[in-house]
Amino acid sequence: KAGVTQTPRYLIKTRGQQVTLSCSPISGHRSVSWYQQTPGQGLQFLFEYFSETQRNKGNFPGRFSGRQFSNSRSEMNVSTLELGDSALYLCASSLAGQGNRAFFGQGTRLTVV
Amino acid sequence: GENVEQHPSTLSVQEGDSAVIKCTYSDSASNYFPWYKQELGKGPQLIIDIRSNVGEKKDQRIAVTLNKTAKHFSLHITETQPEDSAVYFCAASSDAGNMLTFGGGTRLMVKP
Repeated sequence: KAGVTQTPRYLIKTRGQQVTLSCSPISGHRSVSWYQQTPGQGLQFLFEYFSETQRNKGNFPGRFSGRQFSNSRSEMNVSTLELGDSALYLCASSLAGQGNRAFFGQGTRLTVV
Repeated sequence: GENVEQHPSTLSVQEGDSAVIKCTYSDSASNYFPWYKQELGKGPQLIIDIRSNVGEKKDQRIAVTLNKTAKHFSLHITETQPEDSAVYFCAASSDAGNMLTFGGGTRLMVKP
């Protein structure tokens, strides 16, 4: 079974631009969560989607948004990029429901210059 | 919200020794506690997990223990090998969706 696939692996953007990251979950998984990983703040939860609906949201500004498609693939968008948005963005997929095992992708390394 | 503290932040052991990483959590509603291993350039890999109805779980050289009363859980790695060198994260979640709160991570170095 293929794992969680995130694209692209690396991105360099300029301050003020916007960016879209993509995540394809493990086949059959319906829950997709996004996390931001930085050296200073560690791993922080952004949001979770289940059956195309946002089920949980972390404490991030409205510039961070996401969506999930009917095939469970998910995208996250960051608008008006700031230098502090430079991070590894990780996607995790879970089978269904709540409290299920989460499997992570390799992440997308975003650098804002 | 939930808060997870992890100690130590770095741990250096000799190959063959045991390693123990400890985490505490604050939310008594948390009932699922996974551990992840992250190698350089990779995403976190789930290595073991435990639910609140179980006190201990073992998988070969790795074991996790949970003390619900004290709100702490630990990862035990026996007979460490150089390939165990990585950053390890503990996490906690409740039934309110698949939202994981992570500890700060432990960099484990196993010296040959």
